Amino acid sequence: DAGVTQSPTHLIKTRGQHVTLRCSPISGHKSVSWYQQVLGQGPQFIFQYYEKEERGRGNFPDRFSARQFPNYSSELNVNALLLGDSALYLCASRPSGGEQFFGPGTRLTVL
Amino acid sequence: QKEVEQDPGPLSVPEGAIVSLNCTYSNSAFQYFMWYRQYSRKGPELLMYTYSSGNKEDGRFTAQVDKSSKYISLFIRDSQPSDSATYLCAMTLNTNAGKSTFGDGTTLTVKP
Repeated sequence: DAGVTQSPTHLIKTRGQHVTLRCSPISGHKSVSWYQQVLGQGPQFIFQYYEKEERGRGNFPDRFSARQFPNYSSELNVNALLLGDSALYLCASRPSGGEQFFGPGTRLTVL
Repeated sequence: QKEVEQDPGPLSVPEGAIVSLNCTYSNSAFQYFMWYRQYSRKGPELLMYTYSSGNKEDGRFTAQVDKSSKYISLFIRDSQPSDSATYLCAMTLNTNAGKSTFGDGTTLTVKP
């Protein structure tokens, strides 16, 4: 079975631009979470979606938004990029009541 | 102050050594505790998942939780070079592992 997939693998943006990151969960997993991992730090929770509804939001500004589609895939959008948004963005999916499985991440560099 | 503090390392040990990795936390409401391994430029991989205080063993790995002291540990026996990675502790308020709070990780190098 395929694991969690994320696209793109990495990308470079400039300050003020907008970015969309994509995630496909493991088949059968209805919950998707997004985390931001800055170099040298642990992942920080951004959003969780379950059955297309937001189930939690971390301490991130409104420039960050996300959604989940009927096939349970998800997008993370970040507007007005700042240099500090440079990080590895991780997507994780989980079945009901189970552990979460992480994708390989998207490495975002903001110049 | 962060809710979860982890010994920053880096930690370097010879092959075959016993490794001890530790985290402390401030929120007594945390109920579930996890250890992840993360190789360079990869996503975290779950190693251990435990709820109650005490020890849980899985092969060469033992997870220890002391809720009264708000302290968790991961022990690795007979460490191997392939164990070289960053180890992250994580915890949640309930069974929803999708809202985990992570430590900043300890980088371990096991030398042959």
